[in-house]
Amino acid sequence: GDSVTQMEGPVTLSEEAFLTINCTYTATGYPSLFWYVQYPGEGLQLLLKATKADDKGSNKGFEATYRKETTSFHLEKGSVQVSDSAVYFCALSDTGRRALTFGSGTRLQVQP
Amino acid sequence: EAGVAQSPRYKIIEKRQSVAFWCNPISGHATLYWYQQILGQGPKLLIQFQNNGVVDDSQLPKDRFSAERLKGVDSTLKIQPAKLEDSAVYLCASSPEASSYEQYFGPGTRLTVT
Repeated sequence: GDSVTQMEGPVTLSEEAFLTINCTYTATGYPSLFWYVQYPGEGLQLLLKATKADDKGSNKGFEATYRKETTSFHLEKGSVQVSDSAVYFCALSDTGRRALTFGSGTRLQVQP
Repeated sequence: EAGVAQSPRYKIIEKRQSVAFWCNPISGHATLYWYQQILGQGPKLLIQFQNNGVVDDSQLPKDRFSAERLKGVDSTLKIQPAKLEDSAVYLCASSPEASSYEQYFGPGTRLTVT
């Protein structure tokens, strides 16, 4: 079945540091890929998405590129802020149904 | 626009008791999902509804879990009897239609089974 693997956390960075959170997937067909974020005390929110190979999703300074050849969708941000502290989930949905398959989440802590 | 509403927010029960969770999706959203999120893991789909019909319940433990979506709007998820391993956050999400990529999540119900 479909699966998503993402790097374990917590990831601790200083403000303005560069962020990479790795995500790889296994799926049949051509899934759509997502990053969701969960801020402390809040519900899951869609951060960005990519629906086909080589697409780049971007939002709030975060980017991720759908790499079919490496089955990856790594999340990057050039300069993190304290307000980016949250749990980040990589997810996919297959072309048939739209239910999401999530990774286990990566907690990011940004220190001032 | 009001978001996805869930209640209760927290629930503590003893094993073998029953419990029910309620979800009110965003108005007009045809597709509704229930996910289970165990501590330290990502959410896992339990059941997906399209209007009031079930699209996917392959991962729902049907011996103890049940869900319904009457009139294609609100939904309830029930556990009877509960086990210790059911301790988790139960998330409800909705999307405008089955072909929509974006799902809108509610705040979740945190269940503790003792």
